[in-house]
Amino acid sequence: GAVVSQHPSRVICKSGTSVKIECRSLDFQATTMFWYRQFPKQSLMLMATSNEGSKATYEQGVEKDKFLINHASLTLSTLTVTSAHPEDSSFYICSASSLGNQPQHFGDGTRLSIL
Amino acid sequence: GDSVTQMEGPVTLSEEAFLTINCTYTATGYPSLFWYVQYPGEGLQLLLKATKADDKGSNKGFEATYRKETTSFHLEKGSVQVSDSAVYFCALNDSWGKLQFGAGTQVVVTP
Repeated sequence: GAVVSQHPSRVICKSGTSVKIECRSLDFQATTMFWYRQFPKQSLMLMATSNEGSKATYEQGVEKDKFLINHASLTLSTLTVTSAHPEDSSFYICSASSLGNQPQHFGDGTRLSIL
Repeated sequence: GDSVTQMEGPVTLSEEAFLTINCTYTATGYPSLFWYVQYPGEGLQLLLKATKADDKGSNKGFEATYRKETTSFHLEKGSVQVSDSAVYFCALNDSWGKLQFGAGTQVVVTP
């Protein structure tokens, strides 16, 4: 089946650090990638949708200057959490889909812990 | 807007028991419906899907039927295993192409 690789799986860093998370589709071209945030024992909250070569579309309440998204190619999207603070600690998950009404395929998530 | 409601967990079962997780949806159009499974510390895996009314999705012994008349997509498995312990999410593709998830149902299967 379709594979999406997300890296790193876990990050622990100091407050004020910027953290980059990569999401790669390994065996298909991902025209659209999605970034989610998940709090403990809760469902996924969509943060933004990105299409290759264009600016990401952010959901209401998500700070675009805080969460920078780049979708530079059909196989790679990155999320950068800028000047991270403890309240940014969370589980971040990306997903990717190809053209049409194809299902999203998810990465394994990144556990971000800001001290 | 479009939304998904699924039964609250945790659902605790003994091995080989029958599992049902209820899921109902509200949508203005005719969305595709999905069940995803999340194992501890991991992302989501697509378990099964159905794209139109009366379609049955099935995978790994799990089944769900797209019921337009009751706006439901209940997940069932006839005989669960300990390895089925996970959180299960019902979801639909809304009119914007975004996934709308239910709150998730934790399933715990004991030996």
